[in-house]
Amino acid sequence: QKEVEQNSGPLSVPEGAIASLNCTYSDRVSQSFFWYRQYSGKSPELIMSIYSNGDKEDGRFTAQLNKASQYVSLLIRDSQPSDSATYLCAVFQFGGYQKVTFGTGTKLQVIP
Amino acid sequence: DAGITQSPRHKVTETGTPVTLRCHQTENHRYMYWYRQDPGHGLRLIHYSYGVKDTDKGEVSDGYSVSRSKTEDFLLTLESATSSQTSVYFCAISESGVGLVEPQHFGDGTRLSIL
Repeated sequence: QKEVEQNSGPLSVPEGAIASLNCTYSDRVSQSFFWYRQYSGKSPELIMSIYSNGDKEDGRFTAQLNKASQYVSLLIRDSQPSDSATYLCAVFQFGGYQKVTFGTGTKLQVIP
Repeated sequence: DAGITQSPRHKVTETGTPVTLRCHQTENHRYMYWYRQDPGHGLRLIHYSYGVKDTDKGEVSDGYSVSRSKTEDFLLTLESATSSQTSVYFCAISESGVGLVEPQHFGDGTRLSIL
């Protein structure tokens, strides 16, 4: 089992719809969770951080964390074609250093 | 944007040659990381540094070495490049956190092709 799993997609949604991206992780002691957006040929860009159970909203983005189910999600409301990218889930696990494990990403396509 | 500069941005070289990639930061962050990104594998940690002259291995460190002689610079060296090291290499930085980890911020990447 991979430490951090994401559906590779592509996930296709029409413009204006809600896109739901999901991520599961295997290590129960994971403590911090991040979502990065990566456009093709570009570097990952941090869009959300979440540290405690529940929802965290930032503009059109909402991150949801459920530590009991080892599940973190990202909702994008009013999806725009410019949201088309690969979304990487990253999970921090305590260790001797700041270890962050990345999922392989979900490709999102927003159809105009 | 975090002040991270990677050089070179693109490089093509031949098998068996040494290659050095440079990461330079202007944020004075303690932690620096080198990742490679390959289709189907996502981002994989090669080496990281937690201070000047303090480095350690990540999950795919074989064939790579690093050095950090100054806070702002982190070098990744492929002593004898192989075709399997063809990849996109990203440098990342983060500040040490207390309680909650600080997220990593990435440079623009280096596209390395080994023929």
